[in-house]
Amino acid sequence: SYVLTQTPSVSVAPGETVRMTCGGVNIGSQSVHWYQQKPGQAPVLVIFDDRDRPSGIPERFSGSNSGNTATLTISRVEAGDEADFYCQVWDRSSDQRVFGGGTKLTVL
Amino acid sequence: EVQLVQSGAQVKQPGESLKISCQGFGYRFHNYWIAWVRQMPGQGLEWMGIIYPGDSDTKYSPSFQGHVTISADKSITTAYLQWNSLNVADTAVYYCARYYGNMYPFDFWGQGTVVTVSS
Repeated sequence: SYVLTQTPSVSVAPGETVRMTCGGVNIGSQSVHWYQQKPGQAPVLVIFDDRDRPSGIPERFSGSNSGNTATLTISRVEAGDEADFYCQVWDRSSDQRVFGGGTKLTVL
Repeated sequence: EVQLVQSGAQVKQPGESLKISCQGFGYRFHNYWIAWVRQMPGQGLEWMGIIYPGDSDTKYSPSFQGHVTISADKSITTAYLQWNSLNVADTAVYYCARYYGNMYPFDFWGQGTVVTVSS
C-alpha cells in the first residue's frame, strides 16, 4: 500500500516560516491535501489539491508538490498555529485513502 | 452551513456491540460520500472506509474490513459505523467527514465520537 512519510515534529519561533514535508513515491503526480488538528479538536482542511486554500484559511498557509515531496508552508507563524498537521492522498492503484503519520508543530 | 453532527461518547465492555452515527446538514447528503476516520489515543489519523448514501456503495480499508460495518440512511441524512464485538483496541475517537470521492479532500468533519472499551 502507498506510504506517506512526515517528520514527526518541528518547532519554530513566532513570526518565522516553517515548512513541513510529506514524502511519497511520485507524490507529485497526486493531489495532496493537508489537515490541521489542534488538541482536542477535529481536523480542519487547510490546503487541498496541493496548493489551494479553503475559504477562511489565512494566506499564510501555502502548499506545493513536486517529485517525491509535498510541502506545507506556514509564513509568519503564530502561537495559534500550534497543532498536528497531516497530509493525505487518494492512492488510485489500490483505491485507498492514505494519511501521513502527522507532524507536530510547536511554536516556541 | 455544512455540518456533520456525531453521536455522543460511549463506554462499552469487550465483546459488546455498538453503532455510532453521523448526521449531515446543510448540503445534499446523498450526493457526497461519508468517510470514517479513526484516531487512537495519542496517534494519527487512519482512514477506515467510505459510504455513498445515494446507493449505499461502500469501500473499506483492508485494515478494518470485516471488523466494522458502515451503513447509511439517506432518508434521515445519517451514516453509521457499527461493531458487532468490540475489543479494547477499538478505544479511539472516531470522526466522520464529508467527501466528494477519489482525489477530492475530506472537506468537512464531524466533532468526533469517543469510544472507550474497557472491562
